Amino acid sequence: DARVTQTPRHKVTEMGQEVTMRCQPILGHNTVFWYRQTMMQGLELLAYFRNRAPLDDSGMPKDRFSAEMPDATLATLKIQPSEPRDSAVYFCASGLGQGNQPQHFGDGTRLSIL
Amino acid sequence: GENVEQHPSTLSVQEGDSAVIKCTYSDSASNYFPWYKQELGKGPQLIIDIRSNVGEKKDQRIAVTLNKTAKHFSLHITETQPEDSAVYFCAASPTTSGTYKYIFGTGTRLKVLA
Repeated sequence: DARVTQTPRHKVTEMGQEVTMRCQPILGHNTVFWYRQTMMQGLELLAYFRNRAPLDDSGMPKDRFSAEMPDATLATLKIQPSEPRDSAVYFCASGLGQGNQPQHFGDGTRLSIL
Repeated sequence: GENVEQHPSTLSVQEGDSAVIKCTYSDSASNYFPWYKQELGKGPQLIIDIRSNVGEKKDQRIAVTLNKTAKHFSLHITETQPEDSAVYFCAASPTTSGTYKYIFGTGTRLKVLA
C-alpha cells in the first residue's frame, strides 16, 4: 500500500532551536495538508497545498511557522524559534484533491520542546 | 463558524457488543463524511466514508448512516473485538467549495473489554 512518509518520527529539542519536519506524500497526490494534534485542541489544520501552491495557512502562527513544498515529493514544516507550547504530534496528509476523495495520513512527528 | 460535534468522548463496550458514535455538523455545504481510526502512536487511518447522496454504507462490521436534513451522521461497529479499541474521528468536508478541507470532530476513545 502507498503511504505518506514523515520524518523524523520523534524530535526532542530545546526551546529556541529550529525544527524541520518532512513529509513525502503519496505519489500522484496533488494536495498536502499539515495538522497538529494535541490533547486539548484535537486535530488542527495548520496549512495545505494544492499542486505545490499554498492555499490556506490561516491555522499557522505566521511569526514562527512556515510550510513549503520544494517539489511534488517533499513538503516541509519549519518552526523557528521553537517554544514549549509547540510540543505536539504533527501529521501530514495527502489526497487527490478531487471531490469526495479521502486524505491519507502519515504516522506523524512527535515533537517535544524542552 | 464550521463545526463538528462528536459524542461520546469515551465509550466502553463488552466484546461482541455494538458501539455507536454520533456526529453533528454545522455547514450545510458539507457533502463528504469520512471516519478515521487512530491507534496509539499511529496516524488516523480511513475506515469508511459516505457521500451526501447516500444514506447508509456498510463494510463488514462497520456501517455509517447519514441524515442530511438533521445534519447527523453516525458510525456503527457490530460484534466489537479488542482490536477495535482506538480513537475514532469523524469529519465533514464541504467539497463543493473546492478546498477539500476537513472539519474534524473531537474524537471518541473506544475501549472494547474482553
